[in-house]
Order: sequence, then C-alpha cells, then structure tokens
Amino acid sequence: SAVISQKPSRDICQRGTSLTIQCQVDSQVTMMFWYRQQPGQSLTLIATANQGSEATYESGFVIDKFPISRPNLTFSTLTVSNMSPEDSSIYLCSVEDRGETQYFGPGTRLLVL
Amino acid sequence: AQSVSQHNHHVILSEAASLELGCNYSYGGTVNLFWYVQYPGQHLQLLLKYFSGDPLVKGIKGFEAEFIKSKFSFNLRKPSVQWSDTAEYFCAVLPSGGYNKLIFGAGTRLAVHP
Repeated sequence: SAVISQKPSRDICQRGTSLTIQCQVDSQVTMMFWYRQQPGQSLTLIATANQGSEATYESGFVIDKFPISRPNLTFSTLTVSNMSPEDSSIYLCSVEDRGETQYFGPGTRLLVL
Repeated sequence: AQSVSQHNHHVILSEAASLELGCNYSYGGTVNLFWYVQYPGQHLQLLLKYFSGDPLVKGIKGFEAEFIKSKFSFNLRKPSVQWSDTAEYFCAVLPSGGYNKLIFGAGTRLAVHP
C-alpha cells in the first residue's frame, strides 16, 4: 500500500486564523480524500480531492471553509479557514488504490483556542 | 440515508477471551466491506476487507469477519484476544456506485486486560 505522510502532525491555533494541512503520497494515486474525526466520533468525509479540477464536497462542507488543492497525483492540501473551537478535530487524508481500498495518513490533530 | 451501525461502543475483555464486534449497514445494493483498526497513538490501518466470494474473510493478526448478506452484517471476530489488540475498531462500507464514498461506523473501543 502507499505510504502517506501529513504535515503538520498537530497544531494549536487561535480562532479566526487558517491552517493548511499537507498530504504527500509516495506513489501516484487517482483518488485522494479528506476526512474529519471529531473528538470521540467516527470519520466523516469532507471532500474528494480531484486532480486538475475543483474538489467534490460532501453535504455540510463548503469550499470557502475547507479549500482543497490537488496540483498533482501525489499531493494535496486542505485548508481549515477562519477557525473556531468547533473545528478542533483530527484531519486525515486517504488514498484509494486500484482495488477500491482506502489507506489513511497519520492525521493532523488540530486544537483551536 | 446509508449508514453503518456498530453495536458496542466500548468492550472490555480479558486476555484469551473471544471477541465479536457487530457491524450492520443499511444499503440494499452491492457493497464492499472493511474493518479498520486504530491502535493507541497510531494511524488508521486496514484490518481486512470483503469484496466478493467466500463470505468469511481473514485479516491480519488472527482477525476474521463474516459477511451475512441477509442480515446486512459484517461482524468481526477473533478467537483469543491479546493485550496488544487494545484499539479502536471501525467498520466501513463502500456502496456500489457510491462514488468512492466510504461510510464509517461510530467505532468500538476495545480494552483487553492482561
């Protein structure tokens, strides 16, 4: 399976600021995704990061709040904009192999004060 | 709406006890099914998956799961747990035609006592 890294691994941010999270994969992948795991809860898909086009967002998530870039087949970023304490979560990227199986990065722990 | 239910939120077992974690999903069509595990301080890892064929699938570390289509279930089992199995376990479903949207259950926290 692909090796996925995320930066930063954790951060503490002030409300009203923005944080950009990077996801790097060691091989080219077609499908990349961003998830949120709120404290004590399961994973929720934020969006599918499409290479060369705008991301596809799930219900409840909007581009202005979570802009995503996917400049190539090995890299994507997720920005959490104008943060509030409710954005405190773990943010994970995942990639899908050709066998329709998703593999996850280590996650970015975000605390918003 | 499609959903995944994991019946037990917290399970506490002694070493060598048998484990069964329930997972049910609501979707009438074809699905791919997954169990992921998150050990303390580690990232989410694939434990096993079912796409088709033998409904009893074996994964890593002695885990297995059985797909029962009539019950919309995909329960995870292990005959004898170890302390190192302490982790959170997530069931996930990928509905066919679901545009790669993996739907997760709420997770089950397993604590194994020596």
